[in-house]
Amino acid sequence: NAGVTQTPKFQVLKTGQSMTLQCAQDMNHEYMSWYRQDPGMGLRLIHYSVGAGITDQGEVPNGYNVSRSTTEDFPLRLLSAAPSQTSVYFCASSFFGPYYGYTFGSGTRLTVV
Amino acid sequence: DAKTTQPNSMESNEEEPVHLPCNHSTISGTDYIHWYRQLPSQGPEYVIHGLTSNVNNRMASLAIAEDRKSSTLILHRATLRDAAVYYCILHRDDKIIFGKGTRLHILP
Repeated sequence: NAGVTQTPKFQVLKTGQSMTLQCAQDMNHEYMSWYRQDPGMGLRLIHYSVGAGITDQGEVPNGYNVSRSTTEDFPLRLLSAAPSQTSVYFCASSFFGPYYGYTFGSGTRLTVV
Repeated sequence: DAKTTQPNSMESNEEEPVHLPCNHSTISGTDYIHWYRQLPSQGPEYVIHGLTSNVNNRMASLAIAEDRKSSTLILHRATLRDAAVYYCILHRDDKIIFGKGTRLHILP
C-alpha cells in the first residue's frame, strides 16, 4: 500500500501564479483533509471532505479551492499564490468517524516569492 | 471545537518512561481522545486513541482519567527516536483541530 501520496514534494511559485497540490490515497478512505503548517506552528485545517462530491471549509480556507470527484483524490488549488501561502502542506485521510486515526502524507513544501 | 491543554515542552532521559499530560475539561461524552506525534521534517503520525478505558498498543499506552477531563500518553521506554511534538486532540465529528502540542526532548 502506498498510503497517502502527495506531489510535488517541493515547489517554488511566483506571486500570482496558480498551482494544484495533489493528494491521493489507496486505502478507500472516505475522509480526506488538507492542513498547512508554518514554521514553529501547529497544523491548521484548510479544507476537508467526508466523501466524493462533498467538501467543507476548515480554519483557514481563504485563497484555496478543493474538489473531490473521486474517493482516491483530493487536490488543493491555489488560484493566485501569495507570499503568505508559503508553508508546508499536509494531506490526511481516514475512514469516517472519530474512532479512526488519520494517515498523513509526507508533505509539500511550498515557497511563494 | 473542544480544546486541549498541553505543556509546551518536556524533557526525559533516554530509556526512562515518559508521561505526557493533556487536560480536556470541556470534553463531551462522544469525544474520542487521540494522540499524534510529529517527528522533525515529517508529517504527523497517529499514535493511539481511546474513549473511556485505558488503551495499549505497540507504540504507547493511553491512560484516561475516570472523569475523562484529562489523559496521559505513556511512552514506556523513551529512545532518541521518540523526540517529537506530541499532539493531544479531541475527535468529535468530521474533523480534527490541532493545538500546539508538547515538544518532547530526549536526553541521551
